[in-house]
Amino acid sequence: EVQLLESGGGLVQPGGSLRLSCAASGFTFSSYGMSWVRQAPGKGLEWVSTISGSGDSTDYADSVKGRFTISRDNSKDTLYLQMNSLRAEDTAIYYCSKGSGNKWFDPWGQGTLVTVSS
Amino acid sequence: EIVLTQSPATLSLSPGERATLSCRASQSVSSSLAWYLQKPGQAPRLLIYDASNRATGIPARFSGVGSGTDFTLTISSLEPEDFAVYYCQQRSNWPLTFGGGTKVEI
Repeated sequence: EVQLLESGGGLVQPGGSLRLSCAASGFTFSSYGMSWVRQAPGKGLEWVSTISGSGDSTDYADSVKGRFTISRDNSKDTLYLQMNSLRAEDTAIYYCSKGSGNKWFDPWGQGTLVTVSS
Repeated sequence: EIVLTQSPATLSLSPGERATLSCRASQSVSSSLAWYLQKPGQAPRLLIYDASNRATGIPARFSGVGSGTDFTLTISSLEPEDFAVYYCQQRSNWPLTFGGGTKVEI
C-alpha cells in the first residue's frame, strides 16, 4: 500500500523559513515524480511544485518561484519542500502527492499545516 | 495558464438523486482532466482520470465524460458518503491547475 506522511508544518513568522518532509513507502520512490499541493483555509487546491523521479527537473507555481525549493532524497524515500521568505498568504495545509505533469495526483498524504503569522 | 471553471459552486440534492457537475477549461486540455473528491478534514482522492476512467476502487455510480474544454462528472445515485467537495484538475499544460470546486450538499 502506498503511504505518504508529511511533517514539518507549524507556526512561523512572516519572512521566516520552514522545511516540510514527506516520507514515502509502498512503491519505488525514485521511479515517480512527486508534487506538493496546498490548500488555504476554506479555499480550493493550488499546485505548488513538482519534481521528477531523478530529481533533475523541477517546476514551480509563480506564487512560490524563487522562495520555495523542492528536492528529494531517493536513498531515504523522502520528498522535501524548503520554504523561505514566507508570507501570510502561504498559510495552508500542504499535501504531498505521488504525481506530476504526466501522472495524476494519486494518492495524497494527510497534509501538514503551515501557519504564517506574527 | 489554463483556468478551470466549475459549476455550480454548490449543488443541493438528496440521497438517491443524480448529481451532474461541470468543469470548463479556458482552452483545450484534450482528455487530460481528472476529478478528485475531498471529504471534510481529509485529503483529496482521485476519482476519475483522463476524463472518463474510474480510479481504482471507485464505484460505478461515478462517471466522467468530455474532451477539449467541456467536462462532466455524474454521480448516478447519491450515497450519504458522496456529499463532499469535488475538484477538477488539468495536466495538459504547466502550470497544473485545479478548478474552484463544487460542493455537493444534502
